[in-house]
Amino acid sequence: AQSVTQLDSHVSVSEGTPVLLRCNYSSSYSPSLFWYVQHPNKGLQLLLKYTSAATLVKGINGFEAEFKKSETSFHLTKPSAHMSDAAEYFCVVISNDYKLSFGAGTTVTVRA
Amino acid sequence: NAGVTQTPKFQVLKTGQSMTLQCAQDMNHEYMSWYRQDPGMGLRLIHYSVGAGITDQGEVPNGYNVSRSTTEDFPLRLLSAAPSQTSVYFCASSSAGVVTDTQYFGPGTRLTVL
Repeated sequence: AQSVTQLDSHVSVSEGTPVLLRCNYSSSYSPSLFWYVQHPNKGLQLLLKYTSAATLVKGINGFEAEFKKSETSFHLTKPSAHMSDAAEYFCVVISNDYKLSFGAGTTVTVRA
Repeated sequence: NAGVTQTPKFQVLKTGQSMTLQCAQDMNHEYMSWYRQDPGMGLRLIHYSVGAGITDQGEVPNGYNVSRSTTEDFPLRLLSAAPSQTSVYFCASSSAGVVTDTQYFGPGTRLTVL
């Protein structure tokens, strides 16, 4: 079985400052991990995914995440937040039988 | 490509009513799934299908039925709606060839049960 814990339910940053969204996972095998973003009243959009290749994964809109097996973490970062980054972010682990396990989500607020 | 489409976008039901949430995809994806999203709980898997004629239960299947007669369509049925089923429902699809293929999500159906 696998599970995901997003360590912050809400993150507030100023525009132009770095964003860090923390995700820890639990998995009995080598996992595949994703970050999805959901803007208000919209569906989910893939930001990036880790699939056992490079441990530093670059995604869309300047986001990147680093897979650290020793820490069972997959934290999402962005060097400089933009107002359009205000959204809810989900860390997701997928099992070999295609079942996705979602974290509870982190809501990002960006202050002008 | 329209991607993953869901209808209706909004629905209000009374307790005990039945309805079907529609989901269709035009990407020839084998894998389709239904999730519900509730505040503070992320998305939880209701049912999924790895191909036409094959369905299986997810994490929260009670109160919901599904069928998969074609590759394109994966409807979700509520047989007797309950207030606890008030939620936002998302359908998703992906190619079953590789487990790490991107899941494509529909825009969601916002359901309220009174």
